Amino acid sequence: DIQMTQSPSTLSASVGDRVTITCRASQSISSWLAWYQQKPGKAPKLLIYKASSLESGVPSRFSGSGSGTEFTLTISSLQPDDFATYYCQQYNSYPFTFGPGTKVDIK
Amino acid sequence: EVQLVESGGGLVKPGGSLRLSCAASGFTFSSYSMNWVRQAPGKGLEWVSSISSSSSYIYYADSVKGRFTISRDNAKNSLYLQMNSLRAEDTAVYYCARHPAVAGTGFDYWGQGTLVTVSS
Repeated sequence: DIQMTQSPSTLSASVGDRVTITCRASQSISSWLAWYQQKPGKAPKLLIYKASSLESGVPSRFSGSGSGTEFTLTISSLQPDDFATYYCQQYNSYPFTFGPGTKVDIK
Repeated sequence: EVQLVESGGGLVKPGGSLRLSCAASGFTFSSYSMNWVRQAPGKGLEWVSSISSSSSYIYYADSVKGRFTISRDNAKNSLYLQMNSLRAEDTAVYYCARHPAVAGTGFDYWGQGTLVTVSS
């Protein structure tokens, strides 16, 4: 099974900050990686798919990059609505696996 | 508008069974792979099971293999998860999620979730 790790586990930032979250896969997943945002009590929301493709309706301040085993999610200028937990997910092969999550909170 | 609505959660004793349902609307259900994803209280997301559009391909997480069964009824636009031999560690919010696999995207629509609590 492919293991996913994320760093950091928690990130404290201010509105306007540039934020970067890293996700690593235990083996190559090509570009079959998605990023999700989840707020408390809500379902996850797809932000990025195929490592760098922006889901329709998602603000352009979100971007993704990487391939193989190392990926990043960047928020270019953090907005109040962006304080949430972010998960990466590989869908290269079953079992699909999620990273443990990165909580972005207010500094 | 795409909608996924889960139902069937509740309190069940260890060793018991429960059947979750996910009612889909607003899209051609029979064209999409579907998934169940769960989230234990205060924990991260865990993929549980996937079923292809025609039910030809089915996959399970090791943690539920042999105890859970995913199925779908394309005529009723519904996805199901039959959960048997439930354990305390199965306590979680269960989400159904759509996966446009042929388009190469992730899980693009999710339901609101249904809570399953396994406790004596």
